[in-house]
Amino acid sequence: AQTVTQSQPEMSVQEAETVTLSCTYDTSESDYYLFWYKQPPSRQMILVIRQEAYKQQNATENRFSVNFQKAAKSFSLKISDSQLGDAAMYFCAYLSINAGNMLTFGGGTRLMVKP
Amino acid sequence: DADVTQTPRNRITKTGKRIMLECSQTKGHDRMYWYRQDPGLGLRLIYYSFDVKDINKGEISDGYSVSRQAQAKFSLSLESAIPNQTALYFCATSDFGQGAVDTQYFGPGTRLTVL
Repeated sequence: AQTVTQSQPEMSVQEAETVTLSCTYDTSESDYYLFWYKQPPSRQMILVIRQEAYKQQNATENRFSVNFQKAAKSFSLKISDSQLGDAAMYFCAYLSINAGNMLTFGGGTRLMVKP
Repeated sequence: DADVTQTPRNRITKTGKRIMLECSQTKGHDRMYWYRQDPGLGLRLIYYSFDVKDINKGEISDGYSVSRQAQAKFSLSLESAIPNQTALYFCATSDFGQGAVDTQYFGPGTRLTVL
């Protein structure tokens, strides 16, 4: 079974600065997908960014980008020009194609943004 | 209108009661999922369905049952609720179309409290 580890329970960043959230995973599969989801106080799970494992190019979505290191099984999220609205829980998730397309989530990182 | 809706949004019930949580989607997706989130943790998969006739157990299915009434509707039941089923419950949908990333989109969640 796959496991996803987020080693930073909490992070803080100054508004307009850059922050990187860490995620590592354990798998024996070669093809899979990785995601970052944001959960603000409203508790809605919002897709931030996604990465296909077969793609070497790192995904980017506006101020959000990832550093995908397949050999190291690492998938970090970089948030540039942090905004107050970025404050939330962030979850890293692994999708196994071979296991019924099930998502396995990490424990989450709480991001605080200081004005 | 929201693509994935859940009813009720909040529910308080007593031990031993039967509870049904409902999920509806207008995205036209074939795949639907039920997850549970406990405080400070990521989501864990309870059940998933790839079409109306295909229902599968997830990581933590004990104490739960599901019904896929139509492509757009997927219900989760707690036959006899117990306090450790107090949690936030999420429904999600996905469409693993050809060439598409199997991205799951989440409903707003149902907060269930079992006294």
